[in-house]
Amino acid sequence: DSGVTQTPKHLITATGQRVTLRCSPRSGDLSVYWYQQSLDQGLQFLIQYYNGEERAKGNILERFSAQQFPDLHSELNLSSLELGDSALYFCASSVGEYQPQHFGDGTRLSIL
Amino acid sequence: DQQVKQNSPSLSVQEGRISILNCDYTNSMFDYFLWYKKYPAEGPTFLISISSIKDKNEDGRFTVFLNKSAKHLSLHIVPSQPGDSAVYFCAASAINAGNMLTFGGGTRLMVKP
Repeated sequence: DSGVTQTPKHLITATGQRVTLRCSPRSGDLSVYWYQQSLDQGLQFLIQYYNGEERAKGNILERFSAQQFPDLHSELNLSSLELGDSALYFCASSVGEYQPQHFGDGTRLSIL
Repeated sequence: DQQVKQNSPSLSVQEGRISILNCDYTNSMFDYFLWYKKYPAEGPTFLISISSIKDKNEDGRFTVFLNKSAKHLSLHIVPSQPGDSAVYFCAASAINAGNMLTFGGGTRLMVKP
């Protein structure tokens, strides 16, 4: 158990819809990261927050947004969903930079 | 453009023998490297890391070697156990890019009893 909690585990929805994925980091970790794992792209970095502030952005689509709340949990919002958004979405957390990131078990998003 | 590559999609070894997983990178700015193990339906689990100021780091049965001039790192598992069967990912980050990880495509390790 990594200590990182992601909910829900599975999400099935339709094209055009909006969903919210939730992540609770390990106790004491200030940084939260979101990654997408799709069959053809592997694990891809989306966005990082540190203590509520956005720190780094990867190839995150404009339809996707995230935030980190004062209690350090984070949410990833995906809107106007397309079939290609079907993937595993992982959250990770770390104490700080140059520290290993610890991953949750992911949310599997299926777009029908 | 794949900045981190794991050229072997799969590897099969006998229990008790050494497993060697390889990883190559192209970005010379990478200065922190990690290995993760992943079982189906679970998230990646951190195994071991190494910074660019070192060329070797050990933790129990796991040793990571870094060859900066060749832009190559490897993970040695000795002795290999059936429970080590999983997909292994190498990942890298650069100080000027925060802590974002760039992952390789993974190598599936099968350890036969």
